[in-house]
Amino acid sequence: ETGVTQSPTHLIKTRGQQVTLRCSSQSGHNTVSWYQQALGQGPQFIFQYYREEENGRGNFPPRFSGLQFPNYSSELNVNALELDDSALYLCASSPRKGVGDTDTQYFGPGTRLTVL
Amino acid sequence: GIQVEQSPPDLILQEGANSTLRCNFSDSVNNLQWFHQNPWGQLINLFYIPSGTKQNGRLSATTVATERYSLLYISSSQTTDSGVYFCAVDDYNQGGKLIFGQGTELSVKP
Repeated sequence: ETGVTQSPTHLIKTRGQQVTLRCSSQSGHNTVSWYQQALGQGPQFIFQYYREEENGRGNFPPRFSGLQFPNYSSELNVNALELDDSALYLCASSPRKGVGDTDTQYFGPGTRLTVL
Repeated sequence: GIQVEQSPPDLILQEGANSTLRCNFSDSVNNLQWFHQNPWGQLINLFYIPSGTKQNGRLSATTVATERYSLLYISSSQTTDSGVYFCAVDDYNQGGKLIFGQGTELSVKP
């Protein structure tokens, strides 16, 4: 069974640029969540996708957007990068039987984004 | 929203010692998970424990949902236990997101 994978592992961008991060969910998992972890902090929820629909969003501006594909993989897009966007971006997948279900979330290794 | 507080923020142990990490949360939750974040940033699942007690080798966890706290016990600590331990709860009322505490940074000395 393949776990959650993320690409790329590291990325350096300059302020104002756009970035796309990718996540492949664990086999059999239909829900993907994205988190931002700044240095020395706990991860902060960005948004979640369940069966290709956004299913909850944290306190992040609209320039953070996402997609989930029919195979349940996902992308996180960030436009107009700011210095404060420098962080570890974590993707988590989980199996869900329905919108009201909750289950263990399994995390990928993360993408470390540096904005200069 | 739900607040999650972890204590202590930092802990230094000698190899072989035991420790208890605490997680307090401010409201009812559907899910509580404990994670270990290694130096490379990987969050490793330790326990999914919305209530009750679970054990896995030298680690065990207890969640008392009615009193809104969870404890993670590490016995006979090893240097490989070093890292940051996070508690996270599932705020179902806001889309099933995990809300993390600030973590406990554990350092185990040989």
